[in-house]
Amino acid sequence: EDQVTQSPEALRLQEGESSSLNCSYTVSGLRGLFWYRQDPGKGPEFLFTLYSAGEEKEKERLKATLTKKESFLHITAPKPEDSATYLCAVQAGGNTPLVFGKGTRLSVIA
Amino acid sequence: DAGVIQSPRHEVTEMGQEVTLRCKPISGHDYLFWYRQTMMRGLELLIYFNNNVPIDDSGMPEDRFSAKMPNASFSTLKIQPSEPRDSAVYFCASSLGRGAETQYFGPGTRLLVL
Repeated sequence: EDQVTQSPEALRLQEGESSSLNCSYTVSGLRGLFWYRQDPGKGPEFLFTLYSAGEEKEKERLKATLTKKESFLHITAPKPEDSATYLCAVQAGGNTPLVFGKGTRLSVIA
Repeated sequence: DAGVIQSPRHEVTEMGQEVTLRCKPISGHDYLFWYRQTMMRGLELLIYFNNNVPIDDSGMPEDRFSAKMPNASFSTLKIQPSEPRDSAVYFCASSLGRGAETQYFGPGTRLLVL
């Protein structure tokens, strides 16, 4: 069974304090790994797709990396507006639907 | 494009009542997904459609839940009769293709069953 585990469940950072969120996955043939951001009361918003181990993508203060077993979302010098829940999802081979982790709730304090 | 549109945004109903949630996907997208999100279980896929045809409804919790997609621009998720444990946020998402393609989510419908 395909599984996605995100850690930590919650993370509290001071503004400017860099850190990383983890997404560990078990799938039978990864087709893609997705990162989404979700603000309170809103739907998940797409951030990145990673397709193969070693791939990296960046957007502003965020950088996503991928290995064969996990993905990291690195947040450099975060700002309060980066506060949100970050969701990871994977798609296995064979055109299976996305499987989501439960997310990491990030709070950045000014 | 306006993105995925869902209505209503909030719904409060009493146990036993019928609830209908509505979704308009992004124009041109051929896949539509219905999800349910709770604190305990996170985001769960209920059902998805390809070109208006239901492909996989194995995530639908019970026969009380049903979904339809009469055309490419409209889908409904119906709960009849509703129960308090159905309280959750229901999201609709759409994508162009499903092979590692990005899904775009609507704002969700927050359902409270009393």
